Amino acid sequence: DTGVSQDPRHKITKRGQNVTFRCDPISEHNRLYWYRQTLGQGPEFLTYFQNEAQLEKSRLLSDRFSAERPKGSFSTLEIQRTEQGDSAMYLCASRGQNGNTIYFGEGSWLTVV
Amino acid sequence: SQQGEEDPQALSIQEGENATMNCSYKTSINNLQWYRQNSGRGLVHLILIRSNEREKHSGRLRVTLDTSKKSSSLLITASRAADTASYFCATDGWAGGFKTIFGAGTRLFVKA
Repeated sequence: DTGVSQDPRHKITKRGQNVTFRCDPISEHNRLYWYRQTLGQGPEFLTYFQNEAQLEKSRLLSDRFSAERPKGSFSTLEIQRTEQGDSAMYLCASRGQNGNTIYFGEGSWLTVV
Repeated sequence: SQQGEEDPQALSIQEGENATMNCSYKTSINNLQWYRQNSGRGLVHLILIRSNEREKHSGRLRVTLDTSKKSSSLLITASRAADTASYFCATDGWAGGFKTIFGAGTRLFVKA
């Protein structure tokens, strides 16, 4: 257990529905990342927060995706009008102010049917 | 596109043999890290090498970095069946701040 928790761990949803994932990072970590990973691929960067500020957002993050970190602690990733291509594992990770190591949660699996 | 690219994509060896995985990247970096992922799980940090370092050891792991060739290698000595996992390199670019980019990974299978 790295100390980064994600919820839910698994989600099956119908196409067109909205889903939201939550990430609770290690408490003293000010940096938080979201990645998406599909089978056989590496994690693809989606977005990055420093405290509550969203400093970078990938082109992969279409208008249907939004991430927030309102108080600089937990974060949510919402996917609106899900599509089958959104099926993947969504990984959250956090990092300390002066640290180089990124600590990952166990991921949230999304299946869109 | 991803910053790091691992080679080979898959590797199958016998227990006790050494496993070598390579990573190439495209831009200048602050540091390069290697992570391990068991099937369906999150990634776990293994080792970090800074851009001004050439080699680093941790237990059975040996990492090298050649910034002139923009490449790194991860050597696992005396492999065990429990080393079966996917291994990823990740880079922090100078221009990218703390954005960390991962490669596609090498899938290692160690046969008992």
